[in-house]
Amino acid sequence: QKEVEQDPGPLSVPEGAIVSLNCTYSNSAFQYFMWYRQYSRKGPELLMYTYSSGNKEDGRFTAQVDKSSKYISLFIRDSQPSDSATYLCAMNNAGNMLTFGGGTRLMVKP
Amino acid sequence: NAGVTQTPKFQVLKTGQSMTLQCAQDMNHEYMSWYRQDPGMGLRLIHYSVGAGITDQGEVPNGYNVSRSTTEDFPLRLLSAAPSQTSVYFCASSQTLAGGVTGELFFGEGSRLTVL
Repeated sequence: QKEVEQDPGPLSVPEGAIVSLNCTYSNSAFQYFMWYRQYSRKGPELLMYTYSSGNKEDGRFTAQVDKSSKYISLFIRDSQPSDSATYLCAMNNAGNMLTFGGGTRLMVKP
Repeated sequence: NAGVTQTPKFQVLKTGQSMTLQCAQDMNHEYMSWYRQDPGMGLRLIHYSVGAGITDQGEVPNGYNVSRSTTEDFPLRLLSAAPSQTSVYFCASSQTLAGGVTGELFFGEGSRLTVL
């Protein structure tokens, strides 16, 4: 079993929909939780960064962390075609290695 | 502002050949790392460095060597290429915080390697 699990998708939604992306993990030592966005044939770029449990909002994006359930989510409101990308969750225990999920491919159709 | 620059962008090798993937960053980041990305596997850490002269193994280090002689450069060497090393390789850098990586990695655009 992988340390971080993420549904690969693809997830197809109409423009304007609310999107929910999720990851589960098994290592309770993870303290830092990140979401990266990766456009086709590009490198990933950091989208959201949270520490421990709770919510963080940035524009149309909300990241949630539930450490008791070992479950993190990324919500995208009013999704746009430009949000079409692969979304990767990542986690860290304050050490030198990030652990990534496999990524979820999202397609937002006009 | 170049950020993280990787070369080459594409490379085809024959089994047994060696090559070096180059990575340079201009952000004065202490932390640099190499990942490989394969379908369904996400990003897997190969090697990383927390400063010049310091390197360590990640999750999948076999078949790869690294060195860090300067803050800016972190080359990845394939010693004897195998078809299993066909992948997209990403270099990433970051500041460090309290001795650990911050989590805000800055990635290059990737190097696509095919081993025949």
